Amino acid sequence: EVQLVESGGGLVQPGGSLRLSCAASGFTFSSYWMTWVRQAPGKGLEWVANIKQDGSDKYYVDSVKGRFTISRDNANNSLYLQMNSLRAEDTAVYYCARNRDYFDCWGQGTLVTVSS
Amino acid sequence: DIQMTQSPSSLSASVGDRVTITCRASQGISNYLAWYQQKPGKVPKLLIYAASTLQSGVPSRFSGSGSGTDFTLTISSLQPEDVATYYCQKYNSAPRGFTFGPGTKVDIK
Repeated sequence: EVQLVESGGGLVQPGGSLRLSCAASGFTFSSYWMTWVRQAPGKGLEWVANIKQDGSDKYYVDSVKGRFTISRDNANNSLYLQMNSLRAEDTAVYYCARNRDYFDCWGQGTLVTVSS
Repeated sequence: DIQMTQSPSSLSASVGDRVTITCRASQGISNYLAWYQQKPGKVPKLLIYAASTLQSGVPSRFSGSGSGTDFTLTISSLQPEDVATYYCQKYNSAPRGFTFGPGTKVDIK
């Protein structure tokens, strides 16, 4: 069974940093692009970033470029999102998802709250 | 940038009704479109990809159609467990970017 489990969310002050993790199991992690998608409270879905199978290509939504970094560790079946210079508008549930251009498997999400 | 719109933004229908949701792209995206279902408080779930291909395990009352700029998601007979927000998503510019529609909330009348 495919499983994606996010962790690392929490309350952080504006300007602070947080690192999200996503542990994958049940599939060959190194064979797939992976993605982060976020959802602000009461709002819709927003794609944040994705990363190629070997980590050589990465893409970001404009609003997080230069602040967020996506990475992966194929040896440990793990996906990461390093978030720096956090803003109130980054407050959201962050989901990791398996990326086949569409997103066919999703984790349960981890909540990031940016507030003083 | 290609924008995605959905209509209606919300709807209320009776159990057994046929429900249709429309998604429109501001430019043609061929059939690079997916539909997701998000039940209240739950994780999004892929329903349809390539505009009309049903994801494994999804009930056959769900169907998708369209190509180019206009797409539809149809629920042939609405069930109580279909109460959810439905999102379309374009992926014609993958892997450089993905855009979701604003969502359509479906309730039972």
